Amino acid sequence: QKEVEQDPGPLSVPEGAIVSLNCTYSNSAFQYFMWYRQYSRKGPELLMYTYSSGNKEDGRFTAQVDKSSKYISLFIRDSQPSDSATYLCAMSAAGGGNKLTFGTGTQLKVEL
Amino acid sequence: KAGVTQTPRYLIKTRGQQVTLSCSPISGHRSVSWYQQTPGQGLQFLFEYFSETQRNKGNFPGRFSGRQFSNSRSEMNVSTLELGDSALYLCASSAATGSGNTIYFGEGSWLTVV
Repeated sequence: QKEVEQDPGPLSVPEGAIVSLNCTYSNSAFQYFMWYRQYSRKGPELLMYTYSSGNKEDGRFTAQVDKSSKYISLFIRDSQPSDSATYLCAMSAAGGGNKLTFGTGTQLKVEL
Repeated sequence: KAGVTQTPRYLIKTRGQQVTLSCSPISGHRSVSWYQQTPGQGLQFLFEYFSETQRNKGNFPGRFSGRQFSNSRSEMNVSTLELGDSALYLCASSAATGSGNTIYFGEGSWLTVV
């Protein structure tokens, strides 16, 4: 079983929809949580970074962490065709340096 | 501010050869990490360097190695290439090592082994 599980999709939504992307993890040592966006044939781009349980908002993006359930989410409001990409959750443990453990990524397509 | 720069972007090698990939981190960043991305395994951590010292290592065979120079630039080397080494190799940089740092990725080097 992988340490981080993520539904690979693909997920197809109409423009303007609210998108919910999720990851679950099994390693309770994970303390830091990130979401990256990756366009085809490009490197991952950091979208959100959170540390504690709760919500963090940045523009149309909201990251949510529930450490008790080992569950993290990314919400995208008013989705746009330019949001079509693969979304990767990543996490790291305290004392683990900059080693990130990634989910497999969810492919999102926002259609006109 | 320039991002993480990786060279070359694309390369094709033959089984049994070796390859060296280069990474220049964001200016001021001293930690460089390397990852391998494949369709089957996703993104997997290779190793991290900070101040020219390897700080962390993933679960890859010894054919995969790296180093960091005094100017924080890093190289990774794969010897005796196998077909399964075909992947996108990503370099990431961060200002510091330890926990909880924001980590930025380059565009990657696409390696095809034939």
